[in-house]
Amino acid sequence: KQEVTQIPAALSVPEGENLVLNCSFTDSAIYNLQWFRQDPGKGLTSLLLIQSSQREQTSGRLNASLDKSSGRSTLYIAASQPGDSATYLCAVRKITSGSRLTFGEGTQLTVNP
Amino acid sequence: GAGVSQSPSNKVTEKGKDVELRCDPISGHTALYWYRQRLGQGLEFLIYFQGNSAPDKSGLPSDRFSAERTGESVSTLTIQRTQQEDSAVYLCASSFVRDQPQHFGDGTRLSIL
Repeated sequence: KQEVTQIPAALSVPEGENLVLNCSFTDSAIYNLQWFRQDPGKGLTSLLLIQSSQREQTSGRLNASLDKSSGRSTLYIAASQPGDSATYLCAVRKITSGSRLTFGEGTQLTVNP
Repeated sequence: GAGVSQSPSNKVTEKGKDVELRCDPISGHTALYWYRQRLGQGLEFLIYFQGNSAPDKSGLPSDRFSAERTGESVSTLTIQRTQQEDSAVYLCASSFVRDQPQHFGDGTRLSIL
């Protein structure tokens, strides 16, 4: 069974700090891994998608890496801003699970001004 | 439309009633997904539609749950004889094709009294 774990569950940082969110998954046979953010009362916003053949993806101040063999991904946020405050979720699409995404429980990030 | 649209945004109903939730995907997206997010838990996959292919229903928790989609348009998720444990936020997502990023609606918050 694919399990996805995110550490830490919550993180509070001062504005301007660089930070790393961690995601680990038990089964390395994945098609891709996707990072989302979720604001309170809202749906999920896709941030980055990394295919299994890729090592990293970048978008603005965000950089996501993937080490499939060790079952790990990190989301790096540079120069954090209060607007980055949200819950960050990672999800994997496993080769043997068809189209479903398996989600971690998220990291709740607070960036203090 | 510009994004995935879900209705209603909130639904409160009595135990034992049937409810119908609606999802309008992004125009041109062939893949559509339903997820459930219960309080304090991660997202659970429910069902996946891809074009006119048979849906992947492997995530539906019981036979009280069903979903339909006509072609590449609107989908409805129906829950019959609702139970209190059905209380959750029901999220719909769509993607251009299966391996592309999923775009989420804001969800329907369902409360069973």
